[in-house]
Amino acid sequence: EAGVTQSPTHLIKTRGQQATLRCSPISGHTSVYWYQQALGLGLQFLLWYDEGEERNRGNFPPRFSGRQFPNYSSELNVNALELEDSALYLCASSFASGTNTGELFFGEGSRLTVL
Amino acid sequence: AQSVTQLDSQVPVFEEAPVELRCNYSSSVSVYLFWYVQYPNQGLQLLLKYLSGSTLVESINGFEAEFNKSQTSFHLRKPSVHISDTAEYFCAVTPSGGSYIPTFGRGTSLIVHP
Repeated sequence: EAGVTQSPTHLIKTRGQQATLRCSPISGHTSVYWYQQALGLGLQFLLWYDEGEERNRGNFPPRFSGRQFPNYSSELNVNALELEDSALYLCASSFASGTNTGELFFGEGSRLTVL
Repeated sequence: AQSVTQLDSQVPVFEEAPVELRCNYSSSVSVYLFWYVQYPNQGLQLLLKYLSGSTLVESINGFEAEFNKSQTSFHLRKPSVHISDTAEYFCAVTPSGGSYIPTFGRGTSLIVHP
């Protein structure tokens, strides 16, 4: 069974540009979570999608946005990139919210570097 | 809202020594508790979880954690560590009803020396 897959593995952008990160959940999972892992800050919750809807977002500015497609894959967009957006972006999936215990299955992440 | 505190950012230890990684949480509701491990350049993997029942939970590679409700703690222990246990360890909590958004601690870097 395939795990959570993320692309690209690495991405280098310059300030002001836009970045798009993609995530495919484990088959049968309908919930997708995005976390930002910046050096020394642990995992900061960005967005939660379930059944195609945005269910919650963390304390990040609106230039962080995303969506979930009918096949439950997801996309994270970061507009007007700033240097401090450099981080590892982790996607995780889980079962539907009604049967969810909060156990997450993570991808290997997309490393975004903003120059 | 929940919060998780991992009391040590880094724990150096010699191979075959015991180790304890500390985790305390704060929550106004019941929670599920998790430990995840992150090896270099990889995503997080579930190490063990407490949902209900016995307060002592074990992983397949020798780690164990005990849920202590009165002290709101979920410390991770291993009686004898290996070099291969060198990794970042994250404690996480999720409310047992309602929002299913896990809150993570800042992580503890376990460094096992030969």
